[in-house]
Amino acid sequence: KQEVTQIPAALSVPEGENLVLNCSFTDSAIYNLQWFRQDPGKGLTSLLLIQSSQREQTSGRLNASLDKSSGRSTLYIAASQPGDSATYLCAPPDFGGTSYGKLTFGQGTILTVHP
Amino acid sequence: DTGVSQDPRHKITKRGQNVTFRCDPISEHNRLYWYRQTLGQGPEFLTYFQNEAQLEKSRLLSDRFSAERPKGSFSTLEIQRTEQGDSAMYLCASSAARGTEAFFGQGTRLTVV
Repeated sequence: KQEVTQIPAALSVPEGENLVLNCSFTDSAIYNLQWFRQDPGKGLTSLLLIQSSQREQTSGRLNASLDKSSGRSTLYIAASQPGDSATYLCAPPDFGGTSYGKLTFGQGTILTVHP
Repeated sequence: DTGVSQDPRHKITKRGQNVTFRCDPISEHNRLYWYRQTLGQGPEFLTYFQNEAQLEKSRLLSDRFSAERPKGSFSTLEIQRTEQGDSAMYLCASSAARGTEAFFGQGTRLTVV
């Protein structure tokens, strides 16, 4: 059974800092991995989808890396802004056995960026 | 493409009542997932539809829960005889094909009093 852990659980930083959010997963036989952000009381917004064959994927100030063999993914946020404040979640899909791509989530990293 | 739409956004119900939620996926997406999220936790998978067929169900989906996707378009999730433990955010997601990006709706926040 896939298990996902995200470190740190919470992060509070001043505006402008470059940030690193970590995601680890127990089953390295993943198809891809998706990063999301969630604002309080809202749904999930997709940030990046990184395929298992890729090492990195970039979107604007966001960069995600993936190391399948070690069961890790990292989300880098450059030049953080107060608008980046949210919960960040990573999720690999499960296509093993009789599964059809359901996402497995950890508890996320709660990010607060102070002006 | 207006994204994944869920209705209602909020629902308050008394314990023992039945509730039904609706999800409209992105129009060309044939894969639809329901998740439940409680405060401070990540979403947990409930059930999966491919077109109109319900192909996977979680053990979290007790016999009080039922989901449908008639005609392979919108989906409904019904909870019968609601309990306080059912209070949560219910999220719907859709994707176009195996291994492609999943898109979530804004969720339905259920409060059982």
